[in-house]
This record gives sequence, structure tokens and C-alpha cells, in this order.
Amino acid sequence: QVQLQESGPGLVKPSETLSLTCTVSGDSISSYYWTWIRQPPGKGLEWIGYIYYTGSTNYNPSLKSRVTISVDTSKNQFSLNLSSVTAADTAVYYCARGQRGSYTNLDYWGQGTLVTVSS
Amino acid sequence: DIQMTQSPSSLSASAGDRVTITCRASQSISSYLNWYQQKPGKAPKLLIFAASSLQSGAPSRFSASGSGTDFTLTLSSLQPEDFATYYCQQSYSTPCTFGQGTKLEIK
Repeated sequence: QVQLQESGPGLVKPSETLSLTCTVSGDSISSYYWTWIRQPPGKGLEWIGYIYYTGSTNYNPSLKSRVTISVDTSKNQFSLNLSSVTAADTAVYYCARGQRGSYTNLDYWGQGTLVTVSS
Repeated sequence: DIQMTQSPSSLSASAGDRVTITCRASQSISSYLNWYQQKPGKAPKLLIFAASSLQSGAPSRFSASGSGTDFTLTLSSLQPEDFATYYCQQSYSTPCTFGQGTKLEIK
């Protein structure tokens, strides 16, 4: 059974960098696309971007200047860095896996982690 | 970006009812449309992909159809566990975008 688990600080100060890691268990990170999605409290879902296990990425243009997604196949992990955060970046952050061959059909998700941006 | 609009935003129904949720794209997306179910405090769950394909493990009372710009998700006989928020997502182009959600509540 594939499982994803987000980890990282739950509180980040304004202007600093939000850093999260998603650890994948139950399957290899190879041969799949891996995505970050976020959901502000009480609001809808926003796609942040994806990374393929080879390292190729695609980001939401609305966040592109601040986002970096990286992968560590040796640890079966991928990570999200979001720089210069503001209160508007407060959200539950989810990592997810795309079905084989798809970066959009998200068939496995982490439980999500709430990140609050506040001083 | 492709805008996705769901209707209604909320819906009250009873167990055993048949309900339909619609999703409209701001431009044609062929059949590149997914549906997710999200319960409070939980991650979304993929129900339908490619407009009408039932995801493994999803109950057969869920069905969906559509192509181009107009799509529907139908729940044939509501069960207590179906009360949740449903999101459509276009997978035609990046950035992938979601509808605003339809909250299905118990009447």
C-alpha cells in the first residue's frame, strides 16, 4: 500500500522560506510524477506543481518565482520550498502521486500538514 | 488558466437520493476531467478520472460523463458516507485547476 507523509515546520515567519518533505513508502518514487497541492483554511484546492522522478518540474505560474520542488530518489522523498511567504501562504499542504503516466490524476495523497505563516 | 465552475456550490439531500453535480470549463478540455471527494480534515480522494473512468476502489454508485466544456458527476443512491465536498479538476493543461467545490450535506 502506497503511503505519503508530509513533514516540516507548522509555523513559518513572514518573508522566510517554507520547506516541506514528502516521504513515500510502499512503492518506489521512480516512474511517477509527484505533486504538491495546497488548501487555505475553508477554501478550495490550488495546484502548486509537480516533479518527475528524473527531476523535471512544472510549476504554477502564480507561484513559479517562489517555488522549488526537488526529489531525492535515494531516500524516496520529494520536497517543496516556497520562499518569501506571507499570510496568504497559510494552508494545508498536501503531497500526492500521479497515476502512472499522469501528473494530474492524483491517486494517492498524504494526510496534509497545516503551515501557518505568522510572526 | 482554465477556469472551472461547479454548480451548485452546496446541495442538501437525503440518503437514497440521486444527485448530480455539474462542472463547466472556461474552454474545451476534451475528456481531461477528474472528480475528487473530500471529507472534513482529510485529503481529497480520486473518484473519477478521464471524465468517466471509475477509480479503483471507488463505489459503482458514482458515475460521471461529459466532454468539451460540460461535465456531470452523479451519485445514484446516496449513502451516509457520501456526504462530503466534491471537486472537479481539469487535467488538460497546466496549471491544473480545480472547481470551487460542491458541499453535499444531509437534509
